[in-house]
Amino acid sequence: GAVVSQHPSRVICKSGTSVKIECRSLDFQATTMFWYRQFPKQSLMLMATSNEGSKATYEQGVEKDKFLINHASLTLSTLTVTSAHPEDSSFYICSAIPGTGRMNTEAFFGQGTRLTVV
Amino acid sequence: QKEVEQNSGPLSVPEGAIASLNCTYSDRGSQSFFWYRQYSGKSPELIMFIYSNGDKEDGRFTAQLNKASQYVSLLIRDSQPSDSATYLCAITGANNLFFGTGTRLTVIP
Repeated sequence: GAVVSQHPSRVICKSGTSVKIECRSLDFQATTMFWYRQFPKQSLMLMATSNEGSKATYEQGVEKDKFLINHASLTLSTLTVTSAHPEDSSFYICSAIPGTGRMNTEAFFGQGTRLTVV
Repeated sequence: QKEVEQNSGPLSVPEGAIASLNCTYSDRGSQSFFWYRQYSGKSPELIMFIYSNGDKEDGRFTAQLNKASQYVSLLIRDSQPSDSATYLCAITGANNLFFGTGTRLTVIP
C-alpha cells in the first residue's frame, strides 16, 4: 500500500520554542493532506486541511497563527507548532489521499509525532 | 450535530465471540465509508472500506452499510485478543474525511 512518512516520531522541546513536523507521501502525489491531533484516550481531532499551493483550511478553534501549515509540493506538508506550550503536548498525525483529493479512496496515515513540551 | 457518531464503549467481548461496532452519520451525500483500527500510541490503519449498500466481507471482518438509515457497522467474527484496539469509523465529506470518536474494544481471553 501507499506510504506516508512523518518525521520526527518523537520530539521534546522547551516551552516557547517552535517545532516543525514533516509529512511526506513517498510513492504518490497528494493534493490534500490532513493534520490531526490526538490527546490520550481521545479520538483524532482534525486540525486543518492542507491544500497544495494554497492556504490551509483550519477547523474551528484551531489557531492558524500558532499551527502553521505549508503544503509546498504534492508530496510534502509541514506543520509548525510555534511558541509551544505544555498544553500543546500531544500526538500529531498526518494523512494523505492519493490523487486530486477526490474523496473516494482511503487516507494513508503517517506514523505520528509525539510532541512533549517541557 | 456531529458528522459521525460512535458509541465510545468500552465494548468487551469474550474470545471467539462476534464483536459488533456501529456508526451513524449525518450527511446523506456521503459516498465512502471506512473502518480504521488504532492501537494505543499508534496511527490508525485501514481495515475495510465500503461504498455500496449491503455487506462486504474480508476474512473475519464484515462491513455493513445502510444508506437509507445512515449507519455503517463492522462485525468481527471469532474475536481474538489481538483485536483489542480502538475502532474508528470515517466517512467522506465534500473535501474532508470525518472520523467518529472511536469505540474501544477489549477481547477477553
